[in-house]
Amino acid sequence: EAGVAQSPRYKIIEKRQSVAFWCNPISGHATLYWYQQILGQGPKLLIQFQNNGVVDDSQLPKDRFSAERLKGVDSTLKIQPAKLEDSAVYLCASSLLTGRNEQFFGPGTRLTVL
Amino acid sequence: DAKTTQPPSMDCAEGRAANLPCNHSTISGNEYVYWYRQIHSQGPQYIIHGLKNNETNEMASLIITEDRKSSTLILPHATLRDTAVYYCIVRVSYGQNFVFGPGTRLSVLP
Repeated sequence: EAGVAQSPRYKIIEKRQSVAFWCNPISGHATLYWYQQILGQGPKLLIQFQNNGVVDDSQLPKDRFSAERLKGVDSTLKIQPAKLEDSAVYLCASSLLTGRNEQFFGPGTRLTVL
Repeated sequence: DAKTTQPPSMDCAEGRAANLPCNHSTISGNEYVYWYRQIHSQGPQYIIHGLKNNETNEMASLIITEDRKSSTLILPHATLRDTAVYYCIVRVSYGQNFVFGPGTRLSVLP
């Protein structure tokens, strides 16, 4: 079974530039999550999608971050404009709607903002 | 905020059992205890979860105290590949999202 795919794996940009990350969840997984993980900390949820609808975006900095999941499959997370404090690993995860609701994570995209 | 407390780091000798503790003194009756781990440069990986009974799978065992205020993840025969950050999370099975704390950094030593 193919896992969660993310690209790019690494990205370096200057502050005030824009950047986009892509995620392809496991086939058939209805729920998709984006997390931000700052060095030395645990992942923090940014946004959760159920199919193509947003379930929870309470911790998404909406002045600069946006995300979409068109057609309920792939998703993109965008930052515009980037700040130095956005340097982090951005993790995508997906899950089935089962009783266990285990989340499967992708390898992440490491963003460095200079 | 995370509802759990874990030691920041632990060491374990290769081949020995690794016992990772977690305190969750404010756990509610309908909250499960989940364990994930994150190997360097990878995303977190599910290990095991439980409500009140002890659980075992091919990766680990989870021991939950009778009052459910703490638990221990046991890796019975740790290998170098078990070196990772281990996260203990409590949440209701449906509806709540995972809130990750800083976890425990386990180093398995040769």
